[in-house]
Amino acid sequence: AQKITQTQPGMFVQEKEAVTLDCTYDTSDPSYGLFWYKQPSSGEMIFLIYQGSYDQQNATEGRYSLNFQKARKSANLVISASQLGDSAMYFCAMQSTGNQFYFGTGTSLTVIP
Amino acid sequence: DAGITQSPRHKVTETGTPVTLRCHQTENHRYMYWYRQDPGHGLRLIHYSYGVKDTDKGEVSDGYSVSRSKTEDFLLTLESATSSQTSVYFCATNTDQGVDTEAFFGQGTRLTVV
Repeated sequence: AQKITQTQPGMFVQEKEAVTLDCTYDTSDPSYGLFWYKQPSSGEMIFLIYQGSYDQQNATEGRYSLNFQKARKSANLVISASQLGDSAMYFCAMQSTGNQFYFGTGTSLTVIP
Repeated sequence: DAGITQSPRHKVTETGTPVTLRCHQTENHRYMYWYRQDPGHGLRLIHYSYGVKDTDKGEVSDGYSVSRSKTEDFLLTLESATSSQTSVYFCATNTDQGVDTEAFFGQGTRLTVV
């Protein structure tokens, strides 16, 4: 069975500091993709970053990086230099064979000025 | 941005009435999904489609049905709405390119069953 676990319901970070949002996954598929989405208060789902299971290097997209530890089955999102606009809900997701996407329960991030 | 449109965006309906939500895409993506989002549960898959007239159940499919008669349209029907189906519903699409392409989302539909 495929499962995504996000254990931090809420997080606070000071503006300009870095923050790590945790995500662990469970799958027996050899090939899978890991994704992070941002959902601001306006409600839309915004794709942030992708990591493939066979990728040797951690993915980076601007201030976002994905700390991928395959043996530990973790795919943590690191946001550097937090901004007020980063306050949102963040979802970790996994896609495996069958093209289904599995989502975690989300982490609500609040950036404090 | 992927062209995914959900309609209606907001709906209030009475318990026991049927409700149909529509998802329309202009991307010619093969895969389409319906999710519901509830606090503490994240996004849970209701049904998905892997082609015209090809659909399958997700983890929370009871009380819902779907249809896909054209590539661009994926309909979600609540056969007899209940208060437990009050939720935000998201449609998403994906190409047939393996596990390395993200899901593209519609704007969501907020459904309230009274």
